Amino acid sequence: DSGVTQTPKHLITATGQRVTLRCSPRSGDLSVYWYQQSLDQGLQFLIHYYNGEERAKGNILERFSAQQFPDLHSELNLSSLELGDSALYFCASSVGSLFSGANVLTFGAGSRLTVL
Amino acid sequence: GQNIDQPTEMTATEGAIVQINCTYQTSGFNGLFWYQQHAGEAPTFLSYNVLDGLEEKGRFSSFLSRSKGYSYLLLKELQMKDSASYLCAVRDSNYQLIWGAGTKLIIKP
Repeated sequence: DSGVTQTPKHLITATGQRVTLRCSPRSGDLSVYWYQQSLDQGLQFLIHYYNGEERAKGNILERFSAQQFPDLHSELNLSSLELGDSALYFCASSVGSLFSGANVLTFGAGSRLTVL
Repeated sequence: GQNIDQPTEMTATEGAIVQINCTYQTSGFNGLFWYQQHAGEAPTFLSYNVLDGLEEKGRFSSFLSRSKGYSYLLLKELQMKDSASYLCAVRDSNYQLIWGAGTKLIIKP
């Protein structure tokens, strides 16, 4: 158990629907990152939050949005789902923002989304 | 643009040694990371290099040459459980992580 909790672990839904993925970072970690990994593909960075504020945006579609709440948990909202959105969605957390030493990312187990 | 290159796939024999290379072209450099990812699982941190040279951690070692934009991960005494993908990631001048596509390592008995 990495200490980063993601729910749900698996989710099957239909095209056009909307889903919310949830992440609780490790205790003491202020940063949350969201990544998408399609089958046999590399990690695609979506977005980074630090202590409730958005710090960096990657290749995140306009149909996707995220936020980090005062208790530091984060949610990733995916709407108007398409078949191509089927992927593993990972949340990772770290202690610092960007500039604190190695700032190693600890990943959650992921949420596997299947869009039919 | 920013680019990280790793071999797509490598095969090695149990008990042997394998070297996984990573070359990078990024806007600045603030550290290089190696992560291990078993199929369908989360990536886990292996090593971090920010200065030139070799970092050794048990059976795994990681080397960095900043002037050459090059790193390698060396795995010794390979075990079947080492079958996984190995991800190289570089932190650029904006302290953003740029990820390689990963190298799938297959270990054969």
